[in-house]
Amino acid sequence: NAGVTQTPKFRILKIGQSMTLQCAQDMNHNYMYWYRQDPGMGLKLIYYSVGAGITDKGEVPNGYNVSRSTTEDFPLRLELAAPSQTSVYFCASSSNDRDRGGYTFGSGTRLTVV
Amino acid sequence: DQQVKQNSPSLSVQEGRISILNCDYTNSMFDYFLWYKKYPAEGPTFLISISSIKDKNEDGRFTVFLNKSAKHLSLHIVPSQPGDSAVYFCAASASGGATNKLIFGTGTLLAVQP
Repeated sequence: NAGVTQTPKFRILKIGQSMTLQCAQDMNHNYMYWYRQDPGMGLKLIYYSVGAGITDKGEVPNGYNVSRSTTEDFPLRLELAAPSQTSVYFCASSSNDRDRGGYTFGSGTRLTVV
Repeated sequence: DQQVKQNSPSLSVQEGRISILNCDYTNSMFDYFLWYKKYPAEGPTFLISISSIKDKNEDGRFTVFLNKSAKHLSLHIVPSQPGDSAVYFCAASASGGATNKLIFGTGTLLAVQP
């Protein structure tokens, strides 16, 4: 019972490099989300998806892109990494019924841009 | 514009005593509230939720109280245990959209002293 799996757990990028943060869930959830957590700032929504082929921007989408080709996978793409993107990134999924216990989160990816 | 606020960055409590974590919100459209618990190097995990049609929800040692007129909710942990030491996030969502998007507060670090 894996839940939400994020890879990699840690990554150091140089300014201007690109990378993809992987996220996969095995709970057949339609809804998936990407958040970033900065110290003292809580979690900010980057992008979300309500199903395969459907994505939309959250609060802080600049510098990121997403795709949702399958129900299971929701990768987050960083193009031209900047120091401001140094953060911990969390992927989450949920069912359509929000009374069913909220989100299931992955364990996070800690990204440092130098 | 922080729609969900946790004004206490940290709280220290003795083992066996009550822990009270507070959360305020500004958006009157929020009608579903959740608390998440987060240990270091892990993703947040769902703890307890409450719908705006209720003013109290209880689950074992955890009780959430909602005061809609004050736009305030609180999480009570009784009795507190050292294993409760973690960061607690308050989150809120509004119905009417098919996204289940959550807005998170900045978190409160709870330290339960043995």
